[in-house]
Amino acid sequence: DTEVTQTPKHLVMGMTNKKSLKCEQHMGHRAMYWYKQKAKKPPELMFVYSYEKLSINESVPSRFSPECPNSSLLNLHLHALQPEDSALYLCASSQDQGGWNTEAFFGQGTRLTVV
Amino acid sequence: AQKITQTQPGMFVQEKEAVTLDCTYDTSDPSYGLFWYKQPSSGEMIFLIYQGSYDQQNATEGRYSLNFQKARKSANLVISASQLGDSAMYFCAMRDDNAGGTSYGKLTFGQGTILTVHP
Repeated sequence: DTEVTQTPKHLVMGMTNKKSLKCEQHMGHRAMYWYKQKAKKPPELMFVYSYEKLSINESVPSRFSPECPNSSLLNLHLHALQPEDSALYLCASSQDQGGWNTEAFFGQGTRLTVV
Repeated sequence: AQKITQTQPGMFVQEKEAVTLDCTYDTSDPSYGLFWYKQPSSGEMIFLIYQGSYDQQNATEGRYSLNFQKARKSANLVISASQLGDSAMYFCAMRDDNAGGTSYGKLTFGQGTILTVHP
């Protein structure tokens, strides 16, 4: 089972709303990631969690707030977003943060539209 | 800093033929991983193949093989016997595997190549 499940698949939110994206994996992976991907562009790393601790924050604005409640679950809390934050948000997990043969598996993504 | 370059915005191939997608990288770090992902229009990022920087042999996974030339810093993907379902965006990516560094585990993607398979 190499499945990473993201919910919801689609989300439309206003600029004053608060919403959350959810990501779940049951592969026993200890590293989890959030990526942002604009149309026709490569994914860009936002956050990395390793063993439930925030390991990398790529200078992401504070209106994006990650949370890792346990080793299987990763959330991204959204508040006061801007229309330019509209994108595909991808979650990924890997057995470890790095090292030989620790490929990252991605979820199907959440298509976020901010109106 | 690590950098990945994919110089082919788009590629076309006839069904059942082989195709090579180019990828070059730049890093001064000794430990890194190289990956290829496929992204159909649905958006899911599908892992295809992995090559570690210390691996001596080229990686293969079914119809996919990675032509790893370390001295030239290239990691081209070869897809044999193309199928219509192979039409998608393909990303080459590199991961920093230097434990203890500030970018450890960071996966950096190239700009991607759109592959179209013709019947």
